Amino acid sequence: EIVLTQSPGTLSVSPGERATLSCRASQSVSSSYLAWYQQKPGQAPRLLLYGASNRASGIPDRFSGSGSGTDFTLTISRLEPEDFAVYYCQQYGSSPARFIFGPGTKVEIK
Amino acid sequence: QVQLQESGPRLVKPSQTLSLTCNVSGGSIRSGSNYWVWIRQPAGQGLEWLGRIYTSGSGSAIYSPSLQGRLSLSIDTSQNHFSLTLKSVTAADSAVYFCARVAAGYCSGGACYSPSFFDSWGPGTLVTVSS
Repeated sequence: EIVLTQSPGTLSVSPGERATLSCRASQSVSSSYLAWYQQKPGQAPRLLLYGASNRASGIPDRFSGSGSGTDFTLTISRLEPEDFAVYYCQQYGSSPARFIFGPGTKVEIK
Repeated sequence: QVQLQESGPRLVKPSQTLSLTCNVSGGSIRSGSNYWVWIRQPAGQGLEWLGRIYTSGSGSAIYSPSLQGRLSLSIDTSQNHFSLTLKSVTAADSAVYFCARVAAGYCSGGACYSPSFFDSWGPGTLVTVSS
């Protein structure tokens, strides 16, 4: 079974700076089935990216994604105050059909 | 954009059955990919996918292996809602339970891909298992 690992667990960043979050899979996965979500306290997660690099509707272009195989990255180019949150990667496997989440990375204000 | 809302008891006793319903409004439950899921999040922890149900084919469902045997999903397209039933609950089942829609598959670079991510979520409902 595929396991997703995210690093770092917590990232301390100043507003305006760049944040780079990592999601690593225990075995190679399709980038077409890798998504990223943002979750703020007390809220449901919000879809940011799908297919590793496609921004969801309404997501600002400061959010970008890349990667393939086992290593994927979410980059926030210039952190805005509303970007401080927890970020999860999620992978879909089709045989058998399963949805797996990473443990999350918390982006906090430095 | 559809809206989702979870409902059900907030407190369930150990060994009993947890039942939740997700009401879909602002659109048809036959939208997106026609797949709907339940996801939970224990306090201070990450997200765990529980199961997925389809609107057609008598509501065929798949379940997380960790809950196989205890979890059952159902769907009522006439009422625009779907439901979760979790048997023999323990304290470990205490969590915020979310329902979500699986987005329609997408096409990119000349290829098309199966539904695989969640584009609409309910706000979540906190369920506590305690005597």
